[in-house]
Amino acid sequence: DQQVKQNSPSLSVQEGRISILNCDYTNSMFDYFLWYKKYPAEGPTFLISISSIKDKNEDGRFTVFLNKSAKHLSLHIVPSQPGDYAVYFCAASGIGFGNEKLTFGTGTRLTIIP
Amino acid sequence: DTGVSQDPRHKITKRGQNVTFRCDPISEHNRLYWYRQTLGQGPEFLTYFQNEAQLEKSRLLSDRFSAERPKGSFSTLEIQRTEQGDSAMYLCASSLEIYGYTFGSGTRLTVV
Repeated sequence: DQQVKQNSPSLSVQEGRISILNCDYTNSMFDYFLWYKKYPAEGPTFLISISSIKDKNEDGRFTVFLNKSAKHLSLHIVPSQPGDYAVYFCAASGIGFGNEKLTFGTGTRLTIIP
Repeated sequence: DTGVSQDPRHKITKRGQNVTFRCDPISEHNRLYWYRQTLGQGPEFLTYFQNEAQLEKSRLLSDRFSAERPKGSFSTLEIQRTEQGDSAMYLCASSLEIYGYTFGSGTRLTVV
């Protein structure tokens, strides 16, 4: 039962262009969503998050959009840079005490083409 | 503060042996989490501590697995009678607030 789905295992984007990574979820109790970036042989690193009361959150080159009615979120990276080459995980959780655990998607490997 | 530290980084063990991993969280973080990641999957929640209390355990944590966090500081994850299906990356994370996770680099376990 995959409650958080990343249907694209890989994505290739030209350097300088926009990278769009997508994530769908099925559990309507999820209220908080996060994106993590992972390099080989390292643990995931937090990128950006959004709560269900918002539909957009921006931090530098990274913007996360949430469409709660469609149970869909996306991560936009503009402009894409060579250092963005990594696996990106979408994660979701309920809100508040007792909901600290994260449910992760299977990841999307982003490749930046020079 | 050097982040979340996990030891060892790699462990190769024979099937049936017991293994123990250690996690040292960021010193002021009271929450500590264990996740497991297998090839092609995202991290899966195993268990969670707040200070020394183990507050939640996943059904993935069979009776061969045990985790402790004595005195609310470092944590250990022990796997008894390892099986080949236990081969995975075991990730530890800590946080001071909900969701503010910092992950360690993980322990890669290979059961042969």
